[in-house]
Amino acid sequence: DTAVSQTPKYLVTQMGNDKSIKCEQNLGHDTMYWYKQDSKKFLKIMFSYNNKELIINETVPNRFSPKSPDKAHLNLHINSLELGDSAVYFCASSQFGPNQPQHFGDGTRLSIL
Amino acid sequence: GENVEQHPSTLSVQEGDSAVIKCTYSDSASNYFPWYKQELGKRPQLIIDIRSNVGEKKDQRIAVTLNKTAKHFSLHITETQPEDSAVYFCAAIYNNNDMRFGAGTRLTVKP
Repeated sequence: DTAVSQTPKYLVTQMGNDKSIKCEQNLGHDTMYWYKQDSKKFLKIMFSYNNKELIINETVPNRFSPKSPDKAHLNLHINSLELGDSAVYFCASSQFGPNQPQHFGDGTRLSIL
Repeated sequence: GENVEQHPSTLSVQEGDSAVIKCTYSDSASNYFPWYKQELGKRPQLIIDIRSNVGEKKDQRIAVTLNKTAKHFSLHITETQPEDSAVYFCAAIYNNNDMRFGAGTRLTVKP
C-alpha cells in the first residue's frame, strides 16, 4: 500500500496556466508538507500543515496556494505558471512534534513549456 | 533559521571501501537529524536517523555520529556496494517539524 501518494506523477503544461497537485497519506499522520526539488537536486520546504492549519510558510510566491481539506490530504495549487516553477514537487507527512521522521511521496515532475 | 551544510558534494569510492559524508548545522536548538537516500527518479527515503541525546547509532553497514558541541554529524557506510550509489541528504529538524536539508552528496560506488 502506498503510504504517501501524489497525483499526477508528471505534469507538462504551458506558461501562464493554473495547475493543481494532490497528495494523500494513509499513515495516520497529522502533519503534511510540500517540498520543491530543483534541477540541482536541492530540497526546500515550501509549506507545512498540522491538522489542517498552516504552520510553516516559507518565502514562496503567492501564486502557490496550499489547501488541506483534512489532515490526510494536502493539495498544492499553482496559478500563472512560470518557467522557473519547473521542478519536482514532493509531498511528505509525519506526526507532529520533535524527532518525527518525515515520509515522502513519489514526487510530481512539473515541466513548463 | 537553521542552515545545514553538507560535504562533499560528490564522492566516488571503490566497491568494498567506506564512504563518509559530513554535515554541520547552525541552530543549537536542532534535536533530530535524519539521513535520506534518493535514487535517480525516486523519492527521498529515510535510511537512518539520530536524536540529540545520542552520540552514535548503527544499522548494519550504516552508522551516524553526532557531535552536539561542534554541531556536526556524519554518515558512515562500510563495505559499499554498487546499489549504495545514490544522492544522500542530511537534514536537521528544529522548531518541532521544520526540516532543513543539506545540498546532497552524490555517491558513486564503482564495481
